[in-house]
Amino acid sequence: GQNIDQPTEMTATEGAIVQINCTYQTSGFNGLFWYQQHAGEAPTFLSYNVLDGLEEKGRFSSFLSRSKGYSYLLLKELQMKDSASYLCAVTREDSSYKLIFGSGTRLLVRP
Amino acid sequence: AAGVIQSPRHLIKEKRETATLKCYPIPRHDTVYWYQQGPGQDPQFLISFYEKMQSDKGSIPDRFSAQQFSDYHSELNMSSLELGDSALYFCASRIGGKGYTFGSGTRLTVV
Repeated sequence: GQNIDQPTEMTATEGAIVQINCTYQTSGFNGLFWYQQHAGEAPTFLSYNVLDGLEEKGRFSSFLSRSKGYSYLLLKELQMKDSASYLCAVTREDSSYKLIFGSGTRLLVRP
Repeated sequence: AAGVIQSPRHLIKEKRETATLKCYPIPRHDTVYWYQQGPGQDPQFLISFYEKMQSDKGSIPDRFSAQQFSDYHSELNMSSLELGDSALYFCASRIGGKGYTFGSGTRLTVV
């Protein structure tokens, strides 16, 4: 089986930086994804980590430590439109490489 | 660029009725995944197809079935609908190690 844990909710201020953590326990770990999802909409891809280290992409960065089963998503220069759910998902080396999602973190950005 | 197309966008059915959801993956994507997302829940994997063959199966009720056709589009058939089947149903397609793209989803409401 697999366990993927994220904080349920976070609140941050416009212009600030926020870090959303994700811990996972899974056999056959292949890679870790971060998705953003606004209510009622499809998840949209933010980042992908397969090796240890930091991946930077504009205002978003994601870090992975495979040995610790830990990842974080860093959002800089927060904007109101960043208020959304952020989903951590892992893939395993199995027959389908399906995305296995955590419960998501609802981020509220306040003025 | 072409995206994953799902139809219909919204569907209202009565209990015990049947529903068919359609998914048209991105051209040349060889894998299709179906997910169910209840209110406030993370997406739950239902079933996947690789090259028109079922590749994996998740927590999909026996009342549901799916297939992928020769043109790679996929259909999720849901029978004897229950109130608890009300959810967003997402289809995602993929080719290679990453690049999962989600469709806009079908919102199914069972009344």
